[in-house]
Amino acid sequence: GAVVSQHPSWVICKSGTSVKIECRSLDFQATTMFWYRQFPKQSLMLMATSNEGSKATYEQGVEKDKFLINHASLTLSTLTVTSAHPEDSSFYICSARTRDRGLYEQYFGPGTRLTVT
Amino acid sequence: AQTVTQSQPEMSVQEAETVTLSCTYDTSESNYYLFWYKQPPSRQMILVIRQEAYKQQNATENRFSVNFQKAAKSFSLKISDSQLGDTAMYFCAFRESNFGNEKLTFGTGTRLTIIP
Repeated sequence: GAVVSQHPSWVICKSGTSVKIECRSLDFQATTMFWYRQFPKQSLMLMATSNEGSKATYEQGVEKDKFLINHASLTLSTLTVTSAHPEDSSFYICSARTRDRGLYEQYFGPGTRLTVT
Repeated sequence: AQTVTQSQPEMSVQEAETVTLSCTYDTSESNYYLFWYKQPPSRQMILVIRQEAYKQQNATENRFSVNFQKAAKSFSLKISDSQLGDTAMYFCAFRESNFGNEKLTFGTGTRLTIIP
């Protein structure tokens, strides 16, 4: 149980284009999902918290107009990188929150590698 | 703001030996949760172990155990009988316990290599 998928696993796009990354909770409903960014050999940095049916909450320094998040259902959140530039190349990881043995836990997707050329 | 510090960027140990990964944190909260996550080469984040700050007993999960020292704000991970599959990045993480504030703050990670 508690499986989270991401699609695509790897995407290459040209500078100036937009790319959408999907995060799905496969066997549970998640009212809250999180989006992280991980640069090579670095830690995970929270970008935003996505709540079903409402606007996402962005961390300080994250451009909300550049990283559009939509959490339209209890099993799907999407991250759209708009007008991508090479500096947006990174590994993007989502997680979905659910209760596990009475406690809220985050289960992580396998990540999406974005390369902007 | 909470901070999590992992002072060992890399470690290596022979297979079947025991290894301890260090983590310290800083918070003004009295109740919170601490985690160790494993990120193997596949990049999939996997929860290894969880500790609730109000519990004095150290958490254990099979070969993995923690040494939680609340006063010292220290939270180390011990891996016993290490296996080749334990090779991965290990991240220590902190989370406030308040419902609705579920943000995880991660340390910088320790790259662990198990040598055959």
